[in-house]
Amino acid sequence: GAVVSQHPSRVICKSGTSVKIECRSLDFQATTMFWYRQFPKQSLMLMATSNEGSKATYEQGVEKDKFLINHASLTLSTLTVTSAHPEDSSFYICSARDPRNADGYTFGSGTRLTVV
Amino acid sequence: AQTVTQSQPEMSVQEAETVTLSCTYDTSESDYYLFWYKQPPSRQMILVIRQEAYKQQNATENRFSVNFQKAAKSFSLKISDSQLGDAAMYFCAYKTGTASKLTFGTGTRLQVTL
Repeated sequence: GAVVSQHPSRVICKSGTSVKIECRSLDFQATTMFWYRQFPKQSLMLMATSNEGSKATYEQGVEKDKFLINHASLTLSTLTVTSAHPEDSSFYICSARDPRNADGYTFGSGTRLTVV
Repeated sequence: AQTVTQSQPEMSVQEAETVTLSCTYDTSESDYYLFWYKQPPSRQMILVIRQEAYKQQNATENRFSVNFQKAAKSFSLKISDSQLGDAAMYFCAYKTGTASKLTFGTGTRLQVTL
């Protein structure tokens, strides 16, 4: 089945630094990828939709200069949290849409970001 | 805007028993898809079952089945013969036929007891 690899699974960074999270579709080409943020015991909140070769579409209230998304190839999207602050600490999940089937939303295993 | 509501923050079921998780949604679209996802402690999202709105027949996947009531905009998940491994957060999700993004409900935490 479709597999999405998300890396790193955990990262701790200092306040003010930037962190990059990678999301790769391993066995299919994903023209569309999604980035979610999940707070403890809460639902997944869509941050942005990433389309290969074009600018990401951000949800209302998400700072695009803060959360930089790059979808440079059909198998890789990256989320960079710039100038991270403790309030950016969260669980980030990516998802890739497999165009081969209608329910083809495959999720990465998530990244726990802790900003100290 | 489409919304998905899960009114049960937590549910508990005994092993081998049956439990039903509720989900309602609000939409003006006629073409859409509904999903149930499971998120175990590992945090990996796993598709449990999906339903196309144009299909009247309720979807079934082994011990998991749905009760899709289109007029009432209700999409409940029934888990039969509950197992310890079913313990997880369950999220109901919706997407329109044309859009690609999913809208998730707030989730229901399911506990399975011996």
